[in-house]
Amino acid sequence: SQTIHQWPATLVQPVGSPLSLECTVEGTSNPNLYWYRQAAGRGLQLLFYSIGIDQISSEVPQNLSASRPQDRQFILSSKKLLLSDSGFYLCAWSVGGHVNQPQHFGDGTRLSIL
Amino acid sequence: RKEVEQDPGPFNVPEGATVAFNCTYSNSASQSFFWYRQDCRKEPKLLMSVYSSGNEDGRFTAQLNRASQYISLLIRDSKLSDSATYLCVVKGTGNQFYFGTGTSLTVIP
Repeated sequence: SQTIHQWPATLVQPVGSPLSLECTVEGTSNPNLYWYRQAAGRGLQLLFYSIGIDQISSEVPQNLSASRPQDRQFILSSKKLLLSDSGFYLCAWSVGGHVNQPQHFGDGTRLSIL
Repeated sequence: RKEVEQDPGPFNVPEGATVAFNCTYSNSASQSFFWYRQDCRKEPKLLMSVYSSGNEDGRFTAQLNRASQYISLLIRDSKLSDSATYLCVVKGTGNQFYFGTGTSLTVIP
């Protein structure tokens, strides 16, 4: 069966520090991968998605970036965090090339910027 | 206009009640539809897919009306454990999923 791992679960970082969040998927090949952010009490905001290695689509201009160095690995990064980067970050995957397949989420990373 | 719109609620219902949520979507070419459940401070989890003919999973019934571009979720015999935020999700012709902001449900003893 497929599983998705996301870490760390919680992170407290000072303003201006770098960020690296990692997500890996097991049990499937060539998944579509997604990074979302959810601010407190708000809906999910799509940040990036990827349909293959080194293929990244950015949805919202910001100081974040994403990379997909391997088929089942998706990394969210920042060189300098802002206060507004605080939130709940969620990685998700879906079956590539299949319209009717849902997304499945990792446990999320709760990021607090001080 | 938002891709997906939901009534945010909150819905506060007694145990055993029947409650219905509706959701509308803007893109008539949308192809797949889902309901997710999100507990406080947790990740969204797939509750059920929504099929054109409507589908049922235990106490949960989902329906799709393509002509009016809305999706519904009916919960019968509400349990305390049903308390959560319910997210309506629509997938278009590409790879993106569009999420509603969610409808909050609290089931009261």
